[in-house]
Amino acid sequence: QVQLVQSGAEVQKPGASVKVSCKASGYNLRTYFIHWVRQAPGQGLEWMGIVNPSDGGTTYAHNFQGRVTLISDTSTNTVFMDLNTLRSEDTAVYYCARAHYADEGGAFDVWGQGTTVTVSS
Amino acid sequence: DIQMTQSPSSLSASVGDRVTITCRVSQSISRYLSWYQQIPGKAPKLLIYAASNLQAGVPSRFSGSGSGSHFTLTISSLQPEDFATYYCQQSFTNMWTFGRGTTVEIK
Repeated sequence: QVQLVQSGAEVQKPGASVKVSCKASGYNLRTYFIHWVRQAPGQGLEWMGIVNPSDGGTTYAHNFQGRVTLISDTSTNTVFMDLNTLRSEDTAVYYCARAHYADEGGAFDVWGQGTTVTVSS
Repeated sequence: DIQMTQSPSSLSASVGDRVTITCRVSQSISRYLSWYQQIPGKAPKLLIYAASNLQAGVPSRFSGSGSGSHFTLTISSLQPEDFATYYCQQSFTNMWTFGRGTTVEIK
């Protein structure tokens, strides 16, 4: 069964960092790109970035450049999202999602269950 | 970045109604567009990819159409389990973006 399983909820103080993991099972992590998407309470979906687990290559959304790092560890089939200098506006559910590519673009065909990150003093 | 504009932002409909949601894009993206359904408290679910391809396991009452900068998602006969929020998403550039969502509510 193909699935992405994320780490548990986090509570962090403003200015701190958070690291969320996303473990793939049922397929070889190297064969699909992994994206991260977040959703603030009551808001829509916001794309954060992408990592190619095969070579570690990354692309980040402009809003997150300089604050987010995506890392893949193919030995454990796990991808990590590290977000630093947290502020209250980073309170959200963070999702990892697998990108499936067809002839005309890609889509997220498998999603993690989401990790709630709360930033509060 | 490519901007995605969904309309309406919300709608009220009854079981059995035909529902159409529109996604307009700030530039031509060919058919590099997907649609997702999200139920509160759950991760999004892929419905349509490449503008009109139905994801495996998704009921045939869902359909997508369009190309370039204008796309639609249609639910032919709304079912109780379809009350949710729907998002469009583009993958034309290496920075993917989502629309702001359309919430389908019970009339």
